[in-house]
Amino acid sequence: EDKVVQSPLSLVVHEGDTVTLNCSYEVTNFRSLLWYKQEKKAPTFLFMLTSSGIEKKSGRLSSILDKKELSSILNITATQTGDSAIYLCAVAHGQGAQKLVFGQGTRLTINP
Amino acid sequence: DGGITQSPKYLFRKEGQNVTLSCEQNLNHDAMYWYRQDPGQGLRLIYYSQIVNDFQKGDIAEGYSVSREKKESFPLTVTSAQKNPTAFYLCASSSAGGRTGELFFGEGSRLTVL
Repeated sequence: EDKVVQSPLSLVVHEGDTVTLNCSYEVTNFRSLLWYKQEKKAPTFLFMLTSSGIEKKSGRLSSILDKKELSSILNITATQTGDSAIYLCAVAHGQGAQKLVFGQGTRLTINP
Repeated sequence: DGGITQSPKYLFRKEGQNVTLSCEQNLNHDAMYWYRQDPGQGLRLIYYSQIVNDFQKGDIAEGYSVSREKKESFPLTVTSAQKNPTAFYLCASSSAGGRTGELFFGEGSRLTVL
């Protein structure tokens, strides 16, 4: 059975801290790993990592894919209250349509 | 602006009633998807469609039905056969069957069964 597991499920830190969110996966025919941020309703895309692009960075956010360990991390440095959200990890697998298997999500709370 | 529009945002249903959630996209995407989100769980795929007049079951299709008569529209019907329909429903789309990019999501519809 294909599955994606995220940890921790919940994390509370102070503004300015650095956080690392984890995602591990077991899927057949891995194609890519994606990170999304869900603040209220619609998840918004952050990164997509594939065999040809295992590290991505955008401002204070960065992500690395470890295909050997079947895992990925999402780092956020100098956190701000606006980073508070649920962070979703998803893995695309198989042929054809972009069928994603999602993890449970990590609820990140940044306190001022 | 291009995007995905879901309606209604909130919906209340009595047990035994069918309800239909609307999803419209103007991104000219070929593929569309319906996901269900429950507290503490990840998104789970209900149905998806890669082209007009064709769709496939996802992981939790029982008690749901869809249609894809137009490229822009992918409505989801929650039938009375769905035993636990209270959830947050997200519609998404992707281009070129999604092989090259990410999914774009709508704002979601929250269904509550009374």
